[in-house]
Order: sequence, then structure tokens, then C-alpha cells
Amino acid sequence: DGGITQSPKYLFRKEGQNVTLSCEQNLNHDAMYWYRQDPGQGLRLIYYSQIVNDFQKGDIAEGYSVSREKKESFPLTVTSAQKNPTAFYLCASSSRLAAFSKNIQYFGAGTRLSVL
Amino acid sequence: GQNIDQPTEMTATEGAIVQINCTYQTSGFNGLFWYQQHAGEAPTFLSYNVLDGLEEKGRFSSFLSRSKGYSYLLLKELQMKDSASYLCAVRDYNFNKFYFGSGTKLNVKP
Repeated sequence: DGGITQSPKYLFRKEGQNVTLSCEQNLNHDAMYWYRQDPGQGLRLIYYSQIVNDFQKGDIAEGYSVSREKKESFPLTVTSAQKNPTAFYLCASSSRLAAFSKNIQYFGAGTRLSVL
Repeated sequence: GQNIDQPTEMTATEGAIVQINCTYQTSGFNGLFWYQQHAGEAPTFLSYNVLDGLEEKGRFSSFLSRSKGYSYLLLKELQMKDSASYLCAVRDYNFNKFYFGSGTKLNVKP
């Protein structure tokens, strides 16, 4: 089945520790995204990548880092510089943008990160 | 920047019709999306509008007016399982980025 796989489902971080959230897609999508969702809030963009070996900061990139070495994979590292990392993290992907194309963004099941 | 507004919460009765509004201000508009999100789960795609008018898909319809920066999602024959948050999102053509509203939590009561 095609889709987006995020792991782990739940993750706990100790103070001062870096943690990495995995996101893999087999939809052959060029673009991938990371969002953060806080309780009762909408989605805020952390980083996005339109193509392999290229990525851009979103609205709340501080304290996070990403890599895009393969088309299928877009891991997110939450660094110790992110002082309030507790949130629900969602990975998404979409095909390359074309004018008036539906180009739906599909989401993984999410990773819930908590601080110990 | 982008500015997307939706009501925070709405309540409706099973079997009724509810309309969830979304207003937006954006540059490089290239489509408006509605997603449904149940608590603790990922958003799932509901509908897409890029041209003005109404798009209908079963019990769900979505309307867009680009000149007014306005969209609504219409849910008919409400069911208890429709209790969820509904997210309005606008796509920016220049960067293939999606901007999300804060979501409208819909409570369906018997």
C-alpha cells in the first residue's frame, strides 16, 4: 500500500538530548513537509523540501534540523535548542506543483513527542 | 504573509446541516483545501477548490469565492462520526507551501 510512515508513534526526550523523527513515503512525491501541532491549534510549518538535497525553513524552524538525502525520506531532528518540544509532529508529502492541479498533501499518522 | 481565519468551535445536531466558514488573505493563491482531523489522528483530505463555485462530494460540499477570500465547508445529514476538527488550508503557488487555519472543532450531538 502507498503511504507515509512516521516512526515512532510516541517519543520521549530527556533534557539536553537530540531526537530524530522518521518519515518515509512510497508515493513517489517530490515535496515533503514537517508540521508541528499544539493542542487545540492548527498546523505550523517547520521545514519543507521540494526536491532531493534541498530544503527550506518554514515558520518555526528554530531548534529543528532536517535532511533530504533520498526522495523517500525526510527525517526531522529536534535539537536541545528547542526548549518547548512537546507537541504532535506531522509529516506530509505532495507531488510537484502544477498550476490548477489538485496536488493534495497527504499526511502520516504523526509522532507525539513529550519531554521527560 | 498568510492569514486564515475559521471559527474555533461549533455544535450541531445529528441529521442537521452545518456550514463552517473560512476567510483568508494570501498572495500567490493556488487552491484551498479542507481536511478532517479526528482527535490524535492525522488530517485526511476532504475537498479542494481552485476556481470559484461549489464542489460537491457526497454529504460534503465546499465553496470558494476568490474575490472575497472566502470558502465554506457544508456538511449535510450530520452523523456522530463527523465530530472532529476541520482545517482550512491555502496553497501558495510561489513556494508550494500550505498554510493552515487553526481548525474548527465540530461537536455533533444526538
